[in-house]
Amino acid sequence: DGGITQSPKYLFRKEGQNVTLSCEQNLNHDAMYWYRQDPGQGLRLIYYSQIVNDFQKGDIAEGYSVSREKKESFPLTVTSAQKNPTAFYLCASSTRTGGANTGELFFGEGSRLTVL
Amino acid sequence: AQSVAQPEDQVNVAEGNPLTVKCTYSVSGNPYLFWYVQYPNRGLQFLLKYITGDNLVKGSYGFEAEFNKSQTSFHLKKPSALVSDSALYFCAVRAPSGNTGKLIFGQGTTLQVKP
Repeated sequence: DGGITQSPKYLFRKEGQNVTLSCEQNLNHDAMYWYRQDPGQGLRLIYYSQIVNDFQKGDIAEGYSVSREKKESFPLTVTSAQKNPTAFYLCASSTRTGGANTGELFFGEGSRLTVL
Repeated sequence: AQSVAQPEDQVNVAEGNPLTVKCTYSVSGNPYLFWYVQYPNRGLQFLLKYITGDNLVKGSYGFEAEFNKSQTSFHLKKPSALVSDSALYFCAVRAPSGNTGKLIFGQGTTLQVKP
């Protein structure tokens, strides 16, 4: 079945370590997104990519990095520069908007990162 | 700037009663509006959207939402709540101009349906 797969579902990290969260989609979507979710704060956009080999910063990009070498994959690296990385991270994808495509997002199941 | 507000952190209803989860928005032009639901430790699931046309849109699991342009609102409704509807609900908006596809989300409303 088509969908978005995030891994790992749970991840523990020591302070000072970089970690990479995986996001893979087989929906043939052009656009992919990373959101961070904290209790009571809704979803905040970290990075997004509308096409392979191109990506843009979202509202809270500091301390994070991404790559988009393949259409299907959009990994997120949480670097040691991110001061408060403990959160629930959600990956999403969508068709490019325009015409009949209204850009609703399809989400993965999330990855919960805890810094010890 | 685009923004979405969900004025209630939590809504409590009894099973079988109607429910409303409120959402107001601020965006230039005619908005694209969405509702999503999230169960604990899961991703968000798409419920419904308003793009144009009839102000009352119907979505998954018996939910519907009413677009009100004059009040800039897009409230989520269901005639008869189920205990299984208990979850976190997010409203989101996107301006139709441009094609970034970015959605702006509200902070979420927890719906608690009691038997």
